[in-house]
Amino acid sequence: DIQMTQSPSLLSASVGDRVTLSCKASQNIYKYLNWYQQKLGEAPKLLIYYTNSLQTGIPSRFSGSGSGTDYTLTISSLQPEDVATYFCQQYNSWPDTFGAGTKLELK
Amino acid sequence: QVQLKESGPGLVQPSQTLSLTCTVSGLSLTSNSVSWIRQPPGKGLEWMGVIWSNGGTDYNSAIKSRLSISRDTSKSQVFLKMNSLQTEDTAMYFCARKRVTTEGILDYFDYWGQGVMVTVSS
Repeated sequence: DIQMTQSPSLLSASVGDRVTLSCKASQNIYKYLNWYQQKLGEAPKLLIYYTNSLQTGIPSRFSGSGSGTDYTLTISSLQPEDVATYFCQQYNSWPDTFGAGTKLELK
Repeated sequence: QVQLKESGPGLVQPSQTLSLTCTVSGLSLTSNSVSWIRQPPGKGLEWMGVIWSNGGTDYNSAIKSRLSISRDTSKSQVFLKMNSLQTEDTAMYFCARKRVTTEGILDYFDYWGQGVMVTVSS
């Protein structure tokens, strides 16, 4: 199975900060990567699909990039409602696998 | 609008079988695929398996020998059965629509249920 490693595991940032979350795959996943946001006690929500496509209804401050094994989720200006855990997921190889998540908190 | 809702027992004894139901509205199961995904407390997500729109199934090899996914299209329900439960199977269990485009370029989980917490304990 492809291993997905997210860093950092915990990130503290201030409102208005530009925030970058990292996801690294154990092998080339050819941009077949999605990002999800999970708020406490809720189901995950799809944010970004196929590396950089914004899901309908998601604010434009969220963006994704990357290629090969290295991928990034960026929040251009952190808002209080962005406090959550963020997961990456690859679908290049069976089975789909998720990273362990980055927990984003306010400083 | 699209809704998925999981239901099932909150407590299962070790070695017993877990049975969960995902009731879907706003989607036809004959043209949509549904996956089960679980999340142990405080941990990450594990994809368990999928029932495709054509009724075929695929499972995570790590749990394939214990898992079965089926459906009743007339009731818009998807079922999960997993046997020989152990304490490490304690988790929140989610069902989610797995959208896959024909060429496979796009493949994601865009609609999720709220999840059902299952505790394995005697």
